[in-house]
Amino acid sequence: ETGVTQSPTHLIKTRGQQVTLRCSSQSGHNTVSWYQQALGQGPQFIFQYYREEENGRGNFPPRFSGLQFPNYSSELNVNALELDDSALYLCASSFTPPLLARVNTEAFFGQGTRLTVV
Amino acid sequence: DQQVKQNSPSLSVQEGRISILNCDYTNSMFDYFLWYKKYPAEGPTFLISISSIKDKNEDGRFTVFLNKSAKHLSLHIVPSQPGDSAVYFCAATKLEYGNKLVFGAGTILRVKS
Repeated sequence: ETGVTQSPTHLIKTRGQQVTLRCSSQSGHNTVSWYQQALGQGPQFIFQYYREEENGRGNFPPRFSGLQFPNYSSELNVNALELDDSALYLCASSFTPPLLARVNTEAFFGQGTRLTVV
Repeated sequence: DQQVKQNSPSLSVQEGRISILNCDYTNSMFDYFLWYKKYPAEGPTFLISISSIKDKNEDGRFTVFLNKSAKHLSLHIVPSQPGDSAVYFCAATKLEYGNKLVFGAGTILRVKS
């Protein structure tokens, strides 16, 4: 078990609604990344938060937004839900060294939130 | 534009034999590569990684090989065990990007006993 927890595990929403997904990062980690995994595909990077600020964004529209809190937990918000937003949403936590040194640390994933938009 | 490709959707191997999973990438900026394993209803679990300054990295039964000129990497599992049955994802990044991973579509490995 990684220590990264996501809630809820499953969610059904109606097209046009808004949804908030939550992620508690692993102790000692300061960076959270969110990924969307559609059926039959690999996870796609949505965005990353480091020290409460967005630190990179993938090819997702502005209706996908996020937050990171002082305890490094994070939220993913999706407005105006579309049917194609149905997917598994994964949160990954990692530690970024203070000077953004050229080192990569292992990212630990939560179990994901399965979102179904009907 | 798929920057990381896993062209084999599935692979079936007999227990005790070698499993070889392949991955190709197109972006020459990538300098760090990872393999993740995923069981149903769980998040991906890190298996092994390799930096572009190396061509091989071993960890127990798992070995990753990197061929930079061909932009190809492979994961070898020897010997394969039934518990290895899972979806395997190849991922790539540039170290400066800090864990912003680009994933392939995954390969379903089934190890038959």
